Amino acid sequence: DIQMTQSPSFLSASVGDRVTINCKASQNINKYLDWYQQKLGEAPKLLIYNTNSLHTGIPSRFSGSGSGTDFTLTISSLQPEDVATYFCLQHNSGWTFGGGTKLELK
Amino acid sequence: QVQLQQSGAELAKPGSSVKISCKASGYTFTSYAMHWIKQTTGQALEWTGYIAPGSGGTKYNEKFKGKATLTVDKSSSTAYMQLSSLTPVDTAVYYCARSRPGYNYFDYWGQGVMVTVSS
Repeated sequence: DIQMTQSPSFLSASVGDRVTINCKASQNINKYLDWYQQKLGEAPKLLIYNTNSLHTGIPSRFSGSGSGTDFTLTISSLQPEDVATYFCLQHNSGWTFGGGTKLELK
Repeated sequence: QVQLQQSGAELAKPGSSVKISCKASGYTFTSYAMHWIKQTTGQALEWTGYIAPGSGGTKYNEKFKGKATLTVDKSSSTAYMQLSSLTPVDTAVYYCARSRPGYNYFDYWGQGVMVTVSS
């Protein structure tokens, strides 16, 4: 089974900051890595699929990069509404989520 | 617009079963797979399995074989997940989410169902 290691687990940043969250796969997952945002009490929401494709309606300050085993979600300028927990998901072989990154405002 | 409307919270006793539902609207139900995802209070997310509504074909996470059973009612565009032989470990929020065949990411999610197993 593929394991996904997400870092950091917790992140505190200021409005306007550039924020990066990382996910590392235990083996090559090609481009099949997505990012989801989950606000308190809500279902996860798709942000980016297949490493770097922005889902419909998602602001362009969100972007994704990487390949193989190492992937990054970047928020170019943090906004107050971005406070949430972020999860990565690999779907190259089955489906496995990362452990999540809780993002709060400093 | 695409909507996945899940049934209400469940309180069940150990050893019993529950069946939760996910009613789809706003798209062709049989054209998308329906997945089920478990989220425990520690926030960890686990993929449970999926069903292809058109064929009824299923695939399960090995960990949930014998625990979860996925079915659909095409006439009402509703997917179901039955959880059997419940224990406190099954206490979690369960989400349904759809994926387009060949694309495998979850583009729309239900609001989640809280299942609590307690005597």
